[in-house]
Amino acid sequence: EAQVTQNPRYLITVTGKKLTVTCSQNMNHEYMSWYRQDPGLGLRQIYYSMNVEVTDKGDVPEGYKVSRKEKRNFPLILESPSPNQTSLYFCASSLITETGSTYEQYFGPGTRLTVT
Amino acid sequence: TQLLEQSPQFLSIQEGENLTVYCNSSSVFSSLQWYRQEPGEGPVLLVTVVTGGEVKKLKRLTFQFGDARKDSSLHITAAQPGDTGLYLCAGVSNYQLIWGAGTKLIIKP
Repeated sequence: EAQVTQNPRYLITVTGKKLTVTCSQNMNHEYMSWYRQDPGLGLRQIYYSMNVEVTDKGDVPEGYKVSRKEKRNFPLILESPSPNQTSLYFCASSLITETGSTYEQYFGPGTRLTVT
Repeated sequence: TQLLEQSPQFLSIQEGENLTVYCNSSSVFSSLQWYRQEPGEGPVLLVTVVTGGEVKKLKRLTFQFGDARKDSSLHITAAQPGDTGLYLCAGVSNYQLIWGAGTKLIIKP
């Protein structure tokens, strides 16, 4: 089954304790992206990757890191989480067109993170 | 910075009524996608409109892309409780999606 998986689904942590949220897709998609979703603000892109070893900042990258060592995986790293990073996080993947645009985004089920 | 303004933010109506959700921008998009998100899940694509003036229908849902490819609308006819969810529009610009803030739709039986 074609899917994007994220782990964990729920996480409660404390300020400053490093954490990683994993994301994996089995569709051989070039493009992967991380979003956070907050009430009234919609989806805001954190980082995206056009392919292996190619990553770039989205709209809200501060406090986050990513890596793309393999095509299927795109982990999101919070080196020192703070309460303002409490949010619902989504990983997504898609193919890329010949002109560099993205097709339909396939989303993971989300990770609800609470930082106290 | 490209913006995509989505309205209304919240809509609660009775079953059987019609409604329209709008996405407007000053920017031109190569295409525009509409997603629906249900609680506890990620957004799922409903439709992509590509050509200016294009109209696509998905059962009781009608999607239209503006002639200038700067705006789009979603019209639901005879809304059902199963239509309840968060509707998101996203404009495609190069390798990025520009997202609207979403419309939370509640259809009361």
